[in-house]
Amino acid sequence: AQSVTQLGSHVSVSEGALVLLRCNYSSSVPPYLFWYVQYPNQGLQLLLKYTTGATLVKGINGFEAEFKKSETSFHLTKPSAHMSDAAEYFCAGMNYGGSQGNLIFGKGTKLSVKP
Amino acid sequence: DTEVTQTPKHLVMGMTNKKSLKCEQHMGHRAMYWYKQKAKKPPELMFVYSYEKLSINESVPSRFSPECPNSSLLNLHLHALQPEDSALYLCASSPVASGDYNEQFFGPGTRLTVL
Repeated sequence: AQSVTQLGSHVSVSEGALVLLRCNYSSSVPPYLFWYVQYPNQGLQLLLKYTTGATLVKGINGFEAEFKKSETSFHLTKPSAHMSDAAEYFCAGMNYGGSQGNLIFGKGTKLSVKP
Repeated sequence: DTEVTQTPKHLVMGMTNKKSLKCEQHMGHRAMYWYKQKAKKPPELMFVYSYEKLSINESVPSRFSPECPNSSLLNLHLHALQPEDSALYLCASSPVASGDYNEQFFGPGTRLTVL
């Protein structure tokens, strides 16, 4: 069985500072991995995904994530935070072989950006 | 058209009411999903439809009844709900339910309040 763990339920950074949101997965095989963002009272928007191939994945809004198999991690980063980045971020995984599209979500990390 | 639409945006209903949530996508996706999201929690999968057939029911109470009339539409019929069913209900779609092309696109959600 696969699980996804997000370290830190709340991260606060200053505007212009580095954003680092941590995600670790537990799986016997490398899974598909995703980062979603959710603004208040809205649905989830896909930031980026890792399926196969390049381990450094670039997404929208300047975010990127690196898949590290040796560390079973998929941390999300952005060099310079903007006020508009304040939102809830979810890391999610999915096993190969298509578990009928079942996304396994982490518990989420709320990002606050201070002016 | 690259979006998933959901109606209504907000819904307030009594415990004896019957109501329906609607979801629509025109991306040619053949998998559609219903999720329930409580405040400050990740989405929880309720149902998966693959090629208009129900493929996953995550032990959801029978007061929730999904329906997939065609490949573009997904309904969730509600009857005799309880106050604890109040939540954000998210619809999602993906090209298929498994394999590489499994990125899920989420709608904005319906905020349901049961009185």
